[in-house]
Amino acid sequence: DAKTTQPPSMDCAEGRAANLPCNHSTISGNEYVYWYRQIHSQGPQYIIHGLKNNETNEMASLIITEDRKSSTLILPHATLRDTAVYYCIVSNTNAGKSTFGDGTTLTVKP
Amino acid sequence: DAGVIQSPRHEVTEMGQEVTLRCKPISGHNSLFWYRQTMMRGLELLIYFNNNVPIDDSGMPEDRFSAKMPNASFSTLKIQPSEPRDSAVYFCASSFWGARERYNEQFFGPGTRLTVL
Repeated sequence: DAKTTQPPSMDCAEGRAANLPCNHSTISGNEYVYWYRQIHSQGPQYIIHGLKNNETNEMASLIITEDRKSSTLILPHATLRDTAVYYCIVSNTNAGKSTFGDGTTLTVKP
Repeated sequence: DAGVIQSPRHEVTEMGQEVTLRCKPISGHNSLFWYRQTMMRGLELLIYFNNNVPIDDSGMPEDRFSAKMPNASFSTLKIQPSEPRDSAVYFCASSFWGARERYNEQFFGPGTRLTVL
């Protein structure tokens, strides 16, 4: 699986958009980009995934660059409950395995 | 659905004792994953099963760790003998992987917090 690079931490003001970047320059053609988050003391929670098109769901939007070497997770209106560690994962899901890195700790401030 | 169920939620044991962690995946899911999380090492994949068969156990730290999945609705992770460095939160996750679904959304359980004294 390709390796990902994320900033260790970010702050965001409540009500503003949170944009979390991820670099995955070694991604291959059959690998998906996944985002999970982990709120303190809970198990990780799936947010969104994509292959090459931008994706949106009720939680977030995922923007993947045309060369697929980086992506951005967007939380359009961050709330205090969005404070969590956000993991970007790139995975060849032929066998279902995903490797979690260190993630980005997002702190939403009032 | 109740989601992924793990038991116990907390376990405190003494070094040398056997520890068994249990997981019930979401009904209909055919892949199951065991992870360990510590401050030092983050979230590590220990082993995963597909259709009850272990596919990759390269993350299992040593022979003291073993995992089984006797049927589609139950899995165990056993540590024997346990050591203080095994103290961590152990997560179980499940997903559905199919020939058409070329992606893999994992659903995590609440975790078991293990403390080995």
